[in-house]
Amino acid sequence: DQQVKQNSPSLSVQEGRISILNCDYTNSMFDYFLWYKKYPAEGPTFLISISSIKDKNEDGRFTVFLNKSAKHLSLHIVPSQPGDSAVYFCAASEGFNKFYFGSGTKLNVKP
Amino acid sequence: NAGVTQTPKFQVLKTGQSMTLQCAQDMNHNSMYWYRQDPGMGLRLIYYSASEGTTDKGEVPNGYNVSRLNKREFSLRLESAAPSQTSVYFCAISPSGNTIYFGEGSWLTVV
Repeated sequence: DQQVKQNSPSLSVQEGRISILNCDYTNSMFDYFLWYKKYPAEGPTFLISISSIKDKNEDGRFTVFLNKSAKHLSLHIVPSQPGDSAVYFCAASEGFNKFYFGSGTKLNVKP
Repeated sequence: NAGVTQTPKFQVLKTGQSMTLQCAQDMNHNSMYWYRQDPGMGLRLIYYSASEGTTDKGEVPNGYNVSRLNKREFSLRLESAAPSQTSVYFCAISPSGNTIYFGEGSWLTVV
């Protein structure tokens, strides 16, 4: 059973608006969380991460929020741009060892 | 490609054939990984190597063997390929332990 879940296979957003991608996990021992972006025919690229001791981390247009009690994290992209259209994966690790990924959410930002 | 080179990039195999996917890094990072990506399943960890000479099973190790004979290279072997192993395979490295970086992928089709 997958320990990291992304329940929305796709999301469509208008350019300039906010994109919110969600991720849930089941293993309470996970202590580090990451988001990756993937374009077709390329490898996933690292986007942003957050440690379990924090509840928010920002990097430019990207912000990740962590709610440990709900075992939930989200990625906010503001403002969304057409170039953000890609598949986004969340990932989690326990003690910087193995990294477990969700099934991905395909984001489409419409011009 | 984060200093990760995968070969071959594309391969078609017949059921029952064997082959090895090669992964090489141009640095001396300890941790290396093999993932497979399938539609709707996201990225699933096949095997993980924390250092030269050590390997550990991931989520989906059945049907695969790995070898980490030196620090630079981590190979994934399919001894008797099955159509269920048709997938995109990604090798990854972890320079600092808290983030992993992927290669460009190897597309494998088993007919």
